[in-house]
Amino acid sequence: QQQVKQSPQSLIVQKGGISIINCAYENTAFDYFPWYQQFPGKGPALLIAIRPDVSEKKEGRFTISFNKSAKQFSLHIMDSQPGDSATYFCAALTSGGYQKVTFGTGTKLQVIP
Amino acid sequence: GAVVSQHPSRVICKSGTSVKIECRSLDFQATTMFWYRQFPKQSLMLMATSNEGSKATYEQGVEKDKFLINHASLTLSTLTVTSAHPEDSSFYICSARGQGRKSTDTQYFGPGTRLTVL
Repeated sequence: QQQVKQSPQSLIVQKGGISIINCAYENTAFDYFPWYQQFPGKGPALLIAIRPDVSEKKEGRFTISFNKSAKQFSLHIMDSQPGDSATYFCAALTSGGYQKVTFGTGTKLQVIP
Repeated sequence: GAVVSQHPSRVICKSGTSVKIECRSLDFQATTMFWYRQFPKQSLMLMATSNEGSKATYEQGVEKDKFLINHASLTLSTLTVTSAHPEDSSFYICSARGQGRKSTDTQYFGPGTRLTVL
C-alpha cells in the first residue's frame, strides 16, 4: 500500500515535444505529491509539487495533472529540451509527522535534438 | 529553493575504515533530516530519519550499529559508515525538512556523497 508505481521506465522525446510521466499510488493518506529531477551524480532537486485539492498545477513548462479518484498523477514537460534529459522521480508523502517520502522507481528521460 | 550541502562529495576508503558524511542545511533550520542510499539506476532507499536531539529511526533492514546517525543541531546531521566494506559502496544522499519560512512539507536534498570502499 506504500508503493508508488511510475511509468515508463525510460522515455525518448524529440526536442520540442511533450514528455509525459505517470504515477499511481494506493495509500489514500498521501496528501502531498512532489516531483524530483535528478542529474547523474547529483542529488534530486524539487521540480514541482501538488496537493490533492487541485487537479492541475503549472510552473513554466512543467505541469502536474492530478486525478484523486483514480489515485493517479502525471508530469507533463512541454517543449522538451535536451537540458531536460535527466531521471525524474514522482513521490508521495503524508504531510505532518515524520513525512517519510515514498518514491517512484524513476523515469530516465532523454530529449534528442 | 533551500540549500542543503553534503561533505565530502566523494570519498574513497579502504575496507575496515569508518567514514563520516556531513549534511548541513544552510539557510533554514531542519527539524528532520533523512538519509537515503541510491544504487546505480535505482530509486532512493530511505535508510533512517533523524530529529534534532533524539535518536534516529532506522528503516527495516538497515543496521543501526553500522550506519551511525547523529543530528546534534538544527543545521547538521552526520552519517558514519563504520567498518566499511565494498558492499557499502553507494551514493548517499541526505534531505532536510525545514521550519519557519520554509515549507514544512518540502524536503530539500543534498548533492549526495559517492562512497567507494576498496
